[in-house]
Amino acid sequence: SAVISQKPSRDICQRGTSLTIQCQVDSQVTMMFWYRQQPGQSLTLIATANQGSEATYESGFVIDKFPISRPNLTFSTLTVSNMSPEDSSIYLCSVVGVGANTGELFFGEGSRLTVL
Amino acid sequence: GQQLNQSPQSMFIQEGEDVSMNCTSSSIFNTWLWYKQDPGEGPVLLIALYKAGELTSNGRLTAQFGITRKDSFLNISASIPSDVGIYFCAGRYNFNKFYFGSGTKLNVKP
Repeated sequence: SAVISQKPSRDICQRGTSLTIQCQVDSQVTMMFWYRQQPGQSLTLIATANQGSEATYESGFVIDKFPISRPNLTFSTLTVSNMSPEDSSIYLCSVVGVGANTGELFFGEGSRLTVL
Repeated sequence: GQQLNQSPQSMFIQEGEDVSMNCTSSSIFNTWLWYKQDPGEGPVLLIALYKAGELTSNGRLTAQFGITRKDSFLNISASIPSDVGIYFCAGRYNFNKFYFGSGTKLNVKP
């Protein structure tokens, strides 16, 4: 399985500011995703991070609010823009395994954002 | 998007008891995955199932891929305090679409 590191692990942010979350994978992966987990809720897919092209966003999520970069096969960033208290969530980077782990989805440890 | 019905929502059990939770879907899946999430952590993959009828164990955990491909269950035998957490099921139909259940919060009393 891939080892996925996220930064920051947690942060407290002021309303109206933006924060960028980094995701580093220890191996090259094709499929990389960003999920949001609101307090006490399940996981909701924000977007698929595509290497070298624009991310593919799910319904209800837009690029202006959640810009994503994926410059190579091991790294991606998610920015939460113009934050409001409703953006307080855990943001999770995830990748589909390769080789024997194809079909399995692995997660980073998450970035817990609190917006005041 | 696709909704998975996961039950129960929460469980309070005594240490040593067995636990069972399940997920159902209105659509078929090619893969079922079970995760555990501890507070402040990301979900950790416990078991992956790839074929209808498949029964797979990981220590005290056993999961099965339903014959209809629309359901899966996870059993935990002889529960211990460190089993506390939230368990999620996930189903995959095609290569990059994973759908998650709402989670089962497990509490174990020593």
